[in-house]
Amino acid sequence: NAGVTQTPKFQVLKTGQSMTLQCAQDMNHNSMYWYRQDPGMGLRLIYYSASEGTTDKGEVPNGYNVSRLNKREFSLRLESAAPSQTSVYFCASSEAWGAGQPQHFGDGTRLSIL
Amino acid sequence: AQSVTQLDSHVSVSEGTPVLLRCNYSSSYSPSLFWYVQHPNKGLQLLLKYTSAATLVKGINGFEAEFKKSETSFHLTKPSAHMSDAAEYFCVVSVRRNYGGSQGNLIFGKGTKLSVKP
Repeated sequence: NAGVTQTPKFQVLKTGQSMTLQCAQDMNHNSMYWYRQDPGMGLRLIYYSASEGTTDKGEVPNGYNVSRLNKREFSLRLESAAPSQTSVYFCASSEAWGAGQPQHFGDGTRLSIL
Repeated sequence: AQSVTQLDSHVSVSEGTPVLLRCNYSSSYSPSLFWYVQHPNKGLQLLLKYTSAATLVKGINGFEAEFKKSETSFHLTKPSAHMSDAAEYFCVVSVRRNYGGSQGNLIFGKGTKLSVKP
């Protein structure tokens, strides 16, 4: 019962470094999402992939890129990390893309940028 | 545009007493609404969802929510709080087609932290 798996769970970076956050789901879901969570802000959508082969910007895409590697995997890349990107990042998936589809979340990656 | 407002940032109850977490939404279309729970250092878990079937929705762990169109509310309740209910709760609306934003994407409230005193 893995569901949505995110790696790493914790990471500390220096300003200007790059890294990729990995996400994989084993539920055969078509749609995947990346969010960031900041105190008092709820979750904000960074990018999403409605289906394999497509990606689209969400509410806060600046400074990030994504790759839908295959149906199972959706990665998030920070090319040049900035302190403002210190956050908790969540990956989620849903069976399909559309109103009313519940999303299933991973346990998050806690990222600190110094 | 669609939005969701959680009226309390923090709610504190005693174990065994009722829980009420308040949520108002804004939408010209019949919305899809969800409640999620987040325990410390964990991801979000779906508690329940409303998708225009019954207005009273039952979820996991004894929680339920009532959709009230006239009040644009979707409050979460539980008759008797347990210590394990201490967590943060998010009210969420799903974007509908042709109503701004991307269909299917979720808009989150800012969360309500529930504390349960022994």
